Amino acid sequence: DADVTQTPRNRITKTGKRIMLECSQTKGHDRMYWYRQDPGLGLRLIYYSFDVKDINKGEISDGYSVSRQAQAKFSLSLESAIPNQTALYFCATSDPPREGTDTQYFGPGTRLTVL
Amino acid sequence: QKEVEQDPGPLSVPEGAIVSLNCTYSNSAFQYFMWYRQYSRKGPELLMYTYSSGNKEDGRFTAQVDKSSKYISLFIRDSQPSDSATYLCAMSLSGTYKYIFGTGTRLKVLA
Repeated sequence: DADVTQTPRNRITKTGKRIMLECSQTKGHDRMYWYRQDPGLGLRLIYYSFDVKDINKGEISDGYSVSRQAQAKFSLSLESAIPNQTALYFCATSDPPREGTDTQYFGPGTRLTVL
Repeated sequence: QKEVEQDPGPLSVPEGAIVSLNCTYSNSAFQYFMWYRQYSRKGPELLMYTYSSGNKEDGRFTAQVDKSSKYISLFIRDSQPSDSATYLCAMSLSGTYKYIFGTGTRLKVLA
């Protein structure tokens, strides 16, 4: 079984709808992240969480919210979806580094289309 | 100017060729350099992780960092069709979670 899973894998929705993307991990990592990937822009950080009680905005958090339900679960919500939120969304996990930088492991992604 | 620049490709090579993938960056404080491989419709997968300058080898893959030129490279020897993917570079500062990603280079290895 995959260490980091995301549901759904694909979603088409309409402008104004509320959408939730879910991420689960079995790696036992404390840190979890949500990124979006757009052609020509690369991966950009939306939100990150270092533990259940610690949630922080990334560089592009406007229009998104998150919930860390447990160490293993981290959900991303679009309260009122708009077409420019059409993108690939990735969840990632890591542990605090013993030294240096942490190593992030990515899920398979959710392809979201907002019409 | 973006903090990390990466040629999007596509780069097409014949099977068995040596492939060179590159990124340049502007922040001299970056200490950690990563290469991820991303197959179509999959998440990025960590390939190599290098600290500061120098080379690191893992099988057919070699990561090279030149901090004086702010330039990193990934070399793939004896390239295979299964190496066809998008390769992302990523960089971070010491002691931080925050990665800065390149936009990725799409590689096609032709059989």
